[in-house]
Amino acid sequence: KAGVTQTPRYLIKTRGQQVTLSCSPISGHRSVSWYQQTPGQGLQFLFEYFSETQRNKGNFPGRFSGRQFSNSRSEMNVSTLELGDSALYLCASTTEPQLKSLHGYTFGSGTRLTVV
Amino acid sequence: AQTVTQSQPEMSVQEAETVTLSCTYDTSESNYYLFWYKQPPSRQMILVIRQEAYKQQNATENRFSVNFQKAAKSFSLKISDSQLGDTAMYFCAFMNGGSQGNLIFGKGTKLSVKP
Repeated sequence: KAGVTQTPRYLIKTRGQQVTLSCSPISGHRSVSWYQQTPGQGLQFLFEYFSETQRNKGNFPGRFSGRQFSNSRSEMNVSTLELGDSALYLCASTTEPQLKSLHGYTFGSGTRLTVV
Repeated sequence: AQTVTQSQPEMSVQEAETVTLSCTYDTSESNYYLFWYKQPPSRQMILVIRQEAYKQQNATENRFSVNFQKAAKSFSLKISDSQLGDTAMYFCAFMNGGSQGNLIFGKGTKLSVKP
C-alpha cells in the first residue's frame, strides 16, 4: 500500500513567484491536511480538505490556498512568495474527519520550499 | 487556545537505556487526544503512540509507553531499550475531539541515541 506522496520533494522559487505543491493521500483516505514546518514557528496547521471542501483553516494569510480533487488528491498554492515562506510543507491524510483522532494521520515526506 | 510545550530541546541516551521525553499541554476541553510523533531525517512524521483523554490507562506500544497525568496536563513518552533507529525529532501533539480538530504540535525534542 503506497504511502502519502508529495511532489516535488525540493523546490526553489524567487520572491514574488507562486508555487503549487501536490499531495496524493493513501488509497482510501479522503481527508487531507497541510502543515508548515519552520525552525522558528515549528509545525503549524494550514488547512484540511474532505470531499473537495475546505473544512478547517489555520491562521495563514490569503496567499495560502488549497483545493482537493474528486480522487482525494490535494494541492496547495502559495502566491506572491516571501522569504518567510521557506519551509517544509507536510501533507497528512486520514480516512475521514470523524475518525482522525482514532486513526491519527499518515504523513508524507514533505516538500522543502526555498524562497530566494 | 490550546498549547503544547516540550521543555527539552535536545536529549541523548545510550543504546539499550531508557529515556523519558516531557510534554505538557494547556486546554479547557474535556474531549481530546494526545499523540507522539517521530520525525527521522527522512522528514516523514511517524505516529508513535496515541492516548485518549478519557482513558485513565496509559497507552503502550512495544518499547514506547506514556505517562498521562490528566490533572497535571502532562503527557511524557518513555522509550525503553533505546535503539540507534530511535534517533529522531519527537513531537508531542494535541487534538480536540470531534471532526473539526487539527493537530497542535510542540516544538519538538531532538533525541540522539549513542552506541
